[in-house]
Formats: sequence, structure tokens, C-alpha cells
Amino acid sequence: QTVVTQEPSLTVSPGGTVTLTCASSTGAVTSGYHSSWFQQKPGQAPRALIYDTNNKHSWTPARFSGSLLGGKAALTLSGVHPEDEADYYCLLYSAGGWVFGGGTKLTVL
Amino acid sequence: QVQLQQSGPGLVKPSQTLSLTCTISGDSVSSTGAGWNWIRQSPSGGLEWLGRTFYRSRWYNEYALSVQSRITITPDTSKNQFSLQLNSVTPDDTAVYYCLRDIDWEHWGQGTQVTVAS
Repeated sequence: QTVVTQEPSLTVSPGGTVTLTCASSTGAVTSGYHSSWFQQKPGQAPRALIYDTNNKHSWTPARFSGSLLGGKAALTLSGVHPEDEADYYCLLYSAGGWVFGGGTKLTVL
Repeated sequence: QVQLQQSGPGLVKPSQTLSLTCTISGDSVSSTGAGWNWIRQSPSGGLEWLGRTFYRSRWYNEYALSVQSRITITPDTSKNQFSLQLNSVTPDDTAVYYCLRDIDWEHWGQGTQVTVAS
């Protein structure tokens, strides 16, 4: 089955910009992978931020954006807030099923 | 407003079958735009998609390879529900299980902590 790879950890300064990526073992991620991004804070259930590559929910802060970048799905945070410190998971549709990435632990420091 | 309500036991003995049900309100399990999914999150933290059922002129199921031999997801149109059965469980199946709709991943069940132990 498809393996989805994310950066295990990233660190960003408050007010900075960071891009999390999501790669597929099957090749370049395209819109057909319907990439989604989830945020999870300690003690909480995950929550979807981005679906179908670049669509936001009503609760998704404007500083979060989804895209395809260099053959990967990407989540960019522009103007990071301290409360953005969390685990982020991507999800791709590939080869007859959905597959989660291993998650990126984002530290705001 | 779409709501998903999970039900089922929180404790399952090794080698037995884990059974959970997700009752849908505000949408239909037969909706041709949606897929109805089960995922889980183990104590180590990672998320794992288990499978889904969906209707597109007929019923389809898709399952993760890691559990394909042990899993069944079944829709029940009369009750507007879908159910998860996972056979031959081991302690590695201990996790929080969630049902959710995959149009936009907005709607989740409340989560069920399932522990596999004797």
C-alpha cells in the first residue's frame, strides 16, 4: 500500500512562515489524491483544516493554506501564532484507499 | 446539521471481534457524494485509516491492506448507520476509533476508546 511521508518535526519562530509537506511513495501528488490536512493539539481529537488540496473550513485561520508543491501536498502557515504548535497529519487518496502520513510535530519557538 | 454517534464496547478480549456502530443524522449513508469511514489512533499517536463504505449506484468497500483480512464495514440503510467489525483482535488493536464522513472530513463521531485485554 501507498506510504505517505511527512517531516517528523519542524520548528518555526512566532510570526514566521513554515511549509509542511506530504509525499507519496507512488509518485507525484496531484489533485487526484484529494490531499487533506488535520491539526491535533494535546488531549484533543484531530480536526480537519484543509480538504481536497486547498479548501478551508470555516474555522481554518486565513494563515493556513493548502497547495501542491514540487510533487507533494503542502500546508503553509504564514505568520505563525504560538497556538499553532500541534501535530499535523496529511491524508491522501491513493490506490483504492485513504492513507495518513506519520504526522509532523510543529514547535513554535 | 450532520452528526455521527458512535456506539459499542470499550473492552474486547484478545482473539475476539471488535464491533462498533456509527449512527448518522443529517445525511444518508446512501448519499452518493459521501464515503463513510473508520479510522483509529493508537496510544503511540499515529492516525490509521481502516476503511470505508460508499454508495455509487451500488455499494463499495475499501479497506487498508494492514487490516484487509480482518475487517468488514457494513452499511445499514434502514437505520442510517454503518458498522465496523474487526476480527481476531490483539493488544495492537487498542486505540481510539472514530467514524467520519469524507466529503470534507468535517463530521466525526465522538471517538471510542477500545482496549483489547483479557
